[in-house]
Amino acid sequence: DAGITQSPRHKVTETGTPVTLRCHQTENHRYMYWYRQDPGHGLRLIHYSYGVKDTDKGEVSDGYSVSRSKTEDFLLTLESATSSQTSVYFCAISPGQVLGGYTFGSGTRLTVV
Amino acid sequence: EDQVTQSPEALRLQEGESSSLNCSYTVSGLRGLFWYRQDPGKGPEFLFTLYSAGEEKEKERLKATLTKKESFLHITAPKPEDSATYLCAVHSGGSYIPTFGRGTSLIVHP
Repeated sequence: DAGITQSPRHKVTETGTPVTLRCHQTENHRYMYWYRQDPGHGLRLIHYSYGVKDTDKGEVSDGYSVSRSKTEDFLLTLESATSSQTSVYFCAISPGQVLGGYTFGSGTRLTVV
Repeated sequence: EDQVTQSPEALRLQEGESSSLNCSYTVSGLRGLFWYRQDPGKGPEFLFTLYSAGEEKEKERLKATLTKKESFLHITAPKPEDSATYLCAVHSGGSYIPTFGRGTSLIVHP
């Protein structure tokens, strides 16, 4: 997707191991978001950032932490992965909170075994 | 608490058979309603933002409309390439974060 890149695209990890997903943007947008998408639940917000080092929790933040040391990078860390965190993770960016819509990345499919 | 309900969950159409997808919402002061398209294995792609009742937006075969309780995404003479999941999201005055619906999966048969 133009201006936003997620890595890795796919990952399989074992229960109890730490995992970090990366979101990189080239749009210089202020807001960045991490969502997870699961069948029957739709998109659910994990954490978001409204500036460098400024982050806040979403509706499903337990077991996740985030960091944003640069405008362009937003990292999502699963401190100790569990099978319930098997999901597709999407990063999104926006210039403002309500203006227009979000631009989403292509997603990371994470499987915890 | 903001609520968004999309219907139907799945819709199968023949090419050229027009139809509508529904997004019903309950929010405390609507600031914006968004429609996205999501293809399998990809992230959602932004289509439209609607801000007030009576507003309409169009893009190719898609037309989005908004009332005080719901939004419709009308698809006129769909083609197989319109097959995707369509997501609706609402942004209310009570939250800085939009609430997403679960989506409608549309399949258009040639």
